[in-house]
Amino acid sequence: GAVVSQHPSWVICKSGTSVKIECRSLDFQATTMFWYRQFPKQSLMLMATSNEGSKATYEQGVEKDKFLINHASLTLSTLTVTSAHPEDSSFYICSARGITPSESSPLHFGNGTRLTVT
Amino acid sequence: GQNIDQPTEMTATEGAIVQINCTYQTSGFNGLFWYQQHAGEAPTFLSYNVLDGLEEKGRFSSFLSRSKGYSYLLLKELQMKDSASYLCAVKDSNYQLIWGAGTKLIIKP
Repeated sequence: GAVVSQHPSWVICKSGTSVKIECRSLDFQATTMFWYRQFPKQSLMLMATSNEGSKATYEQGVEKDKFLINHASLTLSTLTVTSAHPEDSSFYICSARGITPSESSPLHFGNGTRLTVT
Repeated sequence: GQNIDQPTEMTATEGAIVQINCTYQTSGFNGLFWYQQHAGEAPTFLSYNVLDGLEEKGRFSSFLSRSKGYSYLLLKELQMKDSASYLCAVKDSNYQLIWGAGTKLIIKP
């Protein structure tokens, strides 16, 4: 149980275009979803936290107009990288927390999306 | 500020035992997690500690000392597939996860 599906697994796009990444909780309802970015050989960096039906909370230094997050339902959150540039190339990972998480509940991660902007 | 320290890289031999340490200074403490991450993949959950002591789960064990701000992950009977990065993460007083930079574990035959 507790499967999170992230799509696409990898994407290559041209500079200036936008890319949408989907994150779905397949067998549970995710009230909260987290979006992370990970550069090579570095730790996970939290970008934003999204709660179903409300605006996402962005971490300091993350441009909300560039990284658009939508969490319209309890099973789907999307991250859109707008006007992508080469420096946005990274590994983007979503994670989800269930509707009644306990303190010990681990995050359930999607498989990640490798974005390369040329 | 909040800080989690782990060694950057460790090397061990197949069949041996390795201990990966994690020290933390956070604003409050509501549990510590260990995750395994293979290159190019998302992290997978290994263990959770909130009380002092040792939690054993098969070949993996995790220890916590809250008074020392210290945890370790112990891996026994190492296998080649254990080559991965191991991430320590602490939930602070706001229940936010603070992540360590990860320890890259290299297993040699």
